[in-house]
Amino acid sequence: GAVVSQHPSRVICKSGTSVKIECRSLDFQATTMFWYRQFPKQSLMLMATSNEGSKATYEQGVEKDKFLINHASLTLSTLTVTSAHPEDSSFYICSARGRETEAFFGQGTRLTVV
Amino acid sequence: GQNIDQPTEMTATEGAIVQINCTYQTSGFNGLFWYQQHAGEAPTFLSYNVLDGLEEKGRFSSFLSRSKGYSYLLLKELQMKDSASYLCAPMDSNYQLIWGAGTKLIIKP
Repeated sequence: GAVVSQHPSRVICKSGTSVKIECRSLDFQATTMFWYRQFPKQSLMLMATSNEGSKATYEQGVEKDKFLINHASLTLSTLTVTSAHPEDSSFYICSARGRETEAFFGQGTRLTVV
Repeated sequence: GQNIDQPTEMTATEGAIVQINCTYQTSGFNGLFWYQQHAGEAPTFLSYNVLDGLEEKGRFSSFLSRSKGYSYLLLKELQMKDSASYLCAPMDSNYQLIWGAGTKLIIKP
């Protein structure tokens, strides 16, 4: 199957700093990328959907100024958590979809804000 | 509204067969996915059904009935490594995956 690479897999940052997470589709062009967060023992929560070259569409309740999403190319999307706080600690997962219906997931990023 | 209903947790014995049921309600329908998720890891794709019927892939099979809003994942010859959460995710008219909390499957020796 197609490969989506997400980096970093784990990051620990200090409260108030910003963290950037990258999501790359390695062997296909991702016209749409999705960003999720997942708290322990809970379902994936869609944060935003981004299409290449256009602004991301954020789900209700997700602060777009706090979670900056850039989808500048067909193979790369980034999520930047700005001014991170301990409550932002979570598991962030990207997925990418090309022409086919199936979306492929990155490995996820475990963010811990201390 | 959109809704997914799966059992929260199931227990089965190594070597046995288990069926994980899923009922769903979505705004439109563009197929249904099953994913496996081990603790602390991202989901991995298991199956995709868009037409009614059974799709078999090795030890795993997935069934869909669109008229009933129902799907199941069948796991045969269970192995300890199959202990994970199984997520049923239908795709709505906007091609968005709708996620439930998943079913935690515990395999006992």
